[in-house]
Amino acid sequence: KQEVTQIPAALSVPEGENLVLNCSFTDSAIYNLQWFRQDPGKGLTSLLLIQSSQREQTSGRLNASLDKSSGRSTLYIAASQPGDSATYLCAVRLGTYKYIFGTGTRLKVLA
Amino acid sequence: GAVVSQHPSRVICKSGTSVKIECRSLDFQATTMFWYRQFPKKSLMLMATSNEGSKATYEQGVEKDKFLINHASLTLSTLTVTSAHPEDSSFYICSAREETGTGSNQPQHFGDGTRLSIL
Repeated sequence: KQEVTQIPAALSVPEGENLVLNCSFTDSAIYNLQWFRQDPGKGLTSLLLIQSSQREQTSGRLNASLDKSSGRSTLYIAASQPGDSATYLCAVRLGTYKYIFGTGTRLKVLA
Repeated sequence: GAVVSQHPSRVICKSGTSVKIECRSLDFQATTMFWYRQFPKKSLMLMATSNEGSKATYEQGVEKDKFLINHASLTLSTLTVTSAHPEDSSFYICSAREETGTGSNQPQHFGDGTRLSIL
């Protein structure tokens, strides 16, 4: 059974810091991995999607890497801003098109 | 880009009421949609896979008679919480698979969620 874990569960950093969020999954048989952002009481905003054959994806200040064999992904946020404060979720897509979500990392960037 | 619309965004109702939540794909067809539930400060848990023209596939532990799913068209899936009780209060999110490309390249789009509060 696929399980997705995110570390840390919560993170508070001063503005401007570079930070890394971690995601690990137990079964490497995934189709892709996606990172989402969720603001309180809101839905999901897709940030980056990495196909199983890819190693990383970049969008602006965000960079996500994928090491499928070791069951790990990281989301790197450069020069963090208060507007980055949110919960970040990683999710792996199975062959049945289901997504299994991680436990989330609650990020707070202090001004 | 493709958009999934979920309605209503928020529902507050009395215990015993049945509540229907709609999930629409606005500019693409989706034979498969998914319903997730999110408890406060928890991650999303898949409830069921909604299949157009056939019965939904429920995840283990999800009550089929409590959470009725109907996927009557290629752009609409509904989730009805029957005889809702306070423990059904939660954030419900749907997603729809856009059927372009092949296999792993088919993107999935998420709705904005419905916050259900049962008094």
